[in-house]
Amino acid sequence: GAVVSQHPSRVICKSGTSVKIECRSLDFQATTMFWYRQFPKQSLMLMATSNEGSKATYEQGVEKDKFLINHASLTLSTLTVTSAHPEDSSFYICSASPGGGDDQPQHFGDGTRLSIL
Amino acid sequence: SQQGEEDPQALSIQEGENATMNCSYKTSINNLQWYRQNSGRGLVHLILIRSNEREKHSGRLRVTLDTSKKSSSLLITASRAADTASYFCATVPWHIFGTGTRLKVLA
Repeated sequence: GAVVSQHPSRVICKSGTSVKIECRSLDFQATTMFWYRQFPKQSLMLMATSNEGSKATYEQGVEKDKFLINHASLTLSTLTVTSAHPEDSSFYICSASPGGGDDQPQHFGDGTRLSIL
Repeated sequence: SQQGEEDPQALSIQEGENATMNCSYKTSINNLQWYRQNSGRGLVHLILIRSNEREKHSGRLRVTLDTSKKSSSLLITASRAADTASYFCATVPWHIFGTGTRLKVLA
């Protein structure tokens, strides 16, 4: 079945560091990938839609300059949390679907737990 | 605010019992999907129901959709300890996830 790989699974770093998270579709091409943020025991919040070859679409309230998204190929999207601060600590998850249509289930990475000290 | 709201937020049952979770949403949808999340992991797709469908089955899972009430339910029959997880509904378009139901199945 469709597999999405997310790396790293866990990051612990100092305040002010920039952190890059990768999301790869291993056995299918994804023109669209989604980035979510999840707080403990809460739901997923859609942060942005990553579009291959074009700018990402950010949800209201999500800072574009803070969360840089690059979708340089059909199998890779990256989320960079720039100058991270403790309030950016969270669980970040990406998803993608073969074909990209709304009629398809999303396949999720295993998430990245980001802890900013 | 969240598009989807699951009910109950937490559910604890004995192995072998059935578990029912409900989801309500606010706007028109193309389809509704249910996902499962084990603690600290990504989500796994369980089942998709289209807006023109009323009921769908997959193994021990049964999903219903009532577009007039903007609600859906997920029934897990003959639950197992391995079903312990959080369950989310997600509406499409918009990929908005509900608040989730934390299910605990006791052996």
